[in-house]
Amino acid sequence: DGGITQSPKYLFRKEGQNVTLSCEQNLNHDAMYWYRQDPGQGLRLIYYSQIVNDFQKGDIAEGYSVSREKKESFPLTVTSAQKNPTAFYLCASSGSSVFYEQYFGPGTRLTVT
Amino acid sequence: LAKTTQPISMDSYEGQEVNITCSHNNIATNDYITWYQQFPSQGPRFIIQGYKTKVKNEVASLFIPADRKSSTLSLPRVSLSDTAVYYCLVGPSRGSTLGRLYFGRGTQLTVWP
Repeated sequence: DGGITQSPKYLFRKEGQNVTLSCEQNLNHDAMYWYRQDPGQGLRLIYYSQIVNDFQKGDIAEGYSVSREKKESFPLTVTSAQKNPTAFYLCASSGSSVFYEQYFGPGTRLTVT
Repeated sequence: LAKTTQPISMDSYEGQEVNITCSHNNIATNDYITWYQQFPSQGPRFIIQGYKTKVKNEVASLFIPADRKSSTLSLPRVSLSDTAVYYCLVGPSRGSTLGRLYFGRGTQLTVWP
């Protein structure tokens, strides 16, 4: 089945530690995205990548980093510089020039204490 | 990008038709209107997109008046499983190089038995 996978579903970390969230897609999509969602809020864009080896900052990129070495993979690292990392993280992908139709993964709920 | 305004919440009963209206007064000529649905602890799912007049698919209908300053998502005969948050987005269309979407807080639709 084609789709997007994110792992793990739940992640717990101590404050001060970096953590990397996985996102893999087998839809052959060029574009991939990372969003953050806080309780009762909409989605906020962290980073997006329209092609391999290229990515752009979204609205809340501070404290996060990404890489796009392969078309299928777009991992997100939440660094210790992110002041409020506890959130629901969603990865998405879309075909090139079809950005309005994004396919989302199941999400990773990160809790930092 | 055009800002959207939609009700924070709506209630309905099973079997009724639900209409969620979104206001987008500053919509640009090239902008399309897109709606997504999100269930708790899941990623959003694309529902429908349109430019003008009426668009219909197996899930919903989208009505857009001639001035395009608003749009209405219509869900026929809702069931309990339609309880979700519905997002109205205005932005990049097919072929756009902009490559991103803006999700607001959406409308929480609750369907009661």
